[in-house]
Amino acid sequence: NAGVTQTPKFQVLKTGQSMTLQCAQDMNHEYMSWYRQDPGMGLRLIHYSVGAGITDQGEVPNGYNVSRSTTEDFPLRLLSAAPSQTSVYFCASRTPGPQETQYFGPGTRLLVL
Amino acid sequence: GDSVTQMEGPVTLSEEAFLTINCTYTATGYPSLFWYVQYPGEGLQLLLKATKADDKGSNKGFEATYRKETTSFHLEKGSVQVSDSAVYFCALSDDYKLSFGAGTTVTVRA
Repeated sequence: NAGVTQTPKFQVLKTGQSMTLQCAQDMNHEYMSWYRQDPGMGLRLIHYSVGAGITDQGEVPNGYNVSRSTTEDFPLRLLSAAPSQTSVYFCASRTPGPQETQYFGPGTRLLVL
Repeated sequence: GDSVTQMEGPVTLSEEAFLTINCTYTATGYPSLFWYVQYPGEGLQLLLKATKADDKGSNKGFEATYRKETTSFHLEKGSVQVSDSAVYFCALSDDYKLSFGAGTTVTVRA
């Protein structure tokens, strides 16, 4: 049971480039989320999904797209990278219900030049 | 909307000292409350949680009590170790969304 996995661990992009951050989980969780972590701001929700085929925007969705074709995978796409997207990105998954624990991946550190 | 405010750091302590990190929340419903910990270079791990008023969550010597009257969920540990050096995040969950505090960096010196 690998839990939540993310690739790559680190990426450098130039402004305007696009890329996809991969996230996968093997716990059969319906709920998956993407967060970004910036110094002094905690984690902010980018997009989330409550099941395959269903996605919605979080707190800071601009500049990012997501899709959820399977229960296991939840990729995050940067359409045209900007320096403001330099951050650490975390994917998380959980079972339904507000009492349930979210499980986080190890993170992807992204630097946009 | 729901929000969490936690004590700003950084906090530097000596081994065996007492640690408190304050956390207060604003929520319209009855959220679950969490403390997550992030060790250097790693993702977030659940440290403890409480799902209703007066519940006490505990793990690894850390404790926090869900206080509805003061809308607080302060984290405490009676005797910290160097291995407790990490960033600590208070969070609340209302349905499937987690709202996080800004995080508190704790450094424990030998």
